[in-house]
Amino acid sequence: AQRVTQPEKLLSVFKGAPVELKCNYSYSGSPELFWYVQYSRQRLQLLLRHISRESIKGFTADLNKGETSFHLKKPFAQEEDSAMYYCALTNNNDMRFGAGTRLTVKP
Amino acid sequence: DAGVTQSPTHLIKTRGQQVTLRCSPISGHKSVSWYQQVLGQGPQFIFQYYEKEERGRGNFPDRFSARQFPNYSSELNVNALLLGDSALYLCASSRQGSYNSPLHFGNGTRLTVT
Repeated sequence: AQRVTQPEKLLSVFKGAPVELKCNYSYSGSPELFWYVQYSRQRLQLLLRHISRESIKGFTADLNKGETSFHLKKPFAQEEDSAMYYCALTNNNDMRFGAGTRLTVKP
Repeated sequence: DAGVTQSPTHLIKTRGQQVTLRCSPISGHKSVSWYQQVLGQGPQFIFQYYEKEERGRGNFPDRFSARQFPNYSSELNVNALLLGDSALYLCASSRQGSYNSPLHFGNGTRLTVT
């Protein structure tokens, strides 16, 4: 069965430090993976998708099929990055979300 | 762009009752998906509709049903409510019906079953 695992419920870093939010998945086919973000008092929104291979707000994510991971990284965290981050996977039948990681960037 | 709108924002029902939640997609979006989010978990897929037809269904009992109207708005119905149905119900729209289309979420309807 397909599954998305975000091992950290909470992650706290200082401003300017690197940040990595982990996402591991189990899926036998070729998945499409996404990161969604929810800032305080805002709705859930798409941050980036692996097929776009783009950097959004300084964040990047690389799909590692060998390790079945799609970790989200940013070299220098900013306070405005504090939010709830969800990793999601689709296999053309549905979209599966992880439980989320709450990132807090301290000043 | 008004974004995805959901109504009502909050709802309190008692066990055994029925509830209808409503969603209006972004103009031009033909697909609507419904998700249930319980506290501490990520959104869980319930249904997807595209061009008024059901495209996908998650692992939810038959008490959950949905439909999409000609204007692409959608309703989610839940019958015989249980305490465990208490959750935030999210609606998301996308331009196309494929599952890799980016989802645009509404603010959700908070359902409390007592």
